[in-house]
Amino acid sequence: EVQLVESGGGLAQPGGSLRLSCAASGFTFGAYTMNWARQAPGKGLEWISFITPSGDHAEYTDSVKGRFTISRDNAKSSLYLHMNGLGDEDTAIYFCAKGHSFDSWLTDFWGQGTLVTVSS
Amino acid sequence: EIVLTQSPGNMSLSPGGGATLSCRASQNVNNNYLAWFQQKPGQAPRLLIYDASTRAPGIPDRFSGSGSGTDFTLTISRLEPDDIAVYFCQAYGTLYRTFGQGTTVELK
Repeated sequence: EVQLVESGGGLAQPGGSLRLSCAASGFTFGAYTMNWARQAPGKGLEWISFITPSGDHAEYTDSVKGRFTISRDNAKSSLYLHMNGLGDEDTAIYFCAKGHSFDSWLTDFWGQGTLVTVSS
Repeated sequence: EIVLTQSPGNMSLSPGGGATLSCRASQNVNNNYLAWFQQKPGQAPRLLIYDASTRAPGIPDRFSGSGSGTDFTLTISRLEPDDIAVYFCQAYGTLYRTFGQGTTVELK
């Protein structure tokens, strides 16, 4: 059974940093693309970052470019999101999402999410 | 940047009835890479349909997707209380991974 469990969320100061983690199990983690997405309170979904199976290529939505960094450790079946320069607009539930295949942009399984609140 | 517009914003329907949800793209969705997700309150999104019309594993055949180009539809037949959720469409591909704003389905 595929499982994705996010952690690392919490309260951050404006301008501060957080590192989110996503522990994966139930599939061959290193064979799939992975993504982070987020959902602000009461709002819709927003894709924010993508990484290839080997970790050699990553992409970001414009609003987080230069501030967020996605990475992965295939030996630990873990995905990470390093977030710097946090602002109020980054307050959201952050979801880790598994890609459909080794080269797919489609996500086929999402974790339950971890809440990030940016506030002074 | 592709924009996806879902309609209606909210639907209130009778159990056992059907629902037709629309997702219109501002430009052609290449390869019809259009997915539908279901999100129940407090839960993660669940993939229902991908490539516009392919049901994800384990999704009942009451859910069906259709459309191509810029106009896509999710049809839910024989509505059940468990179908109460927000439904999002998403275009996915090399240049975009945009979500629509969602359609909320409620039962009368």
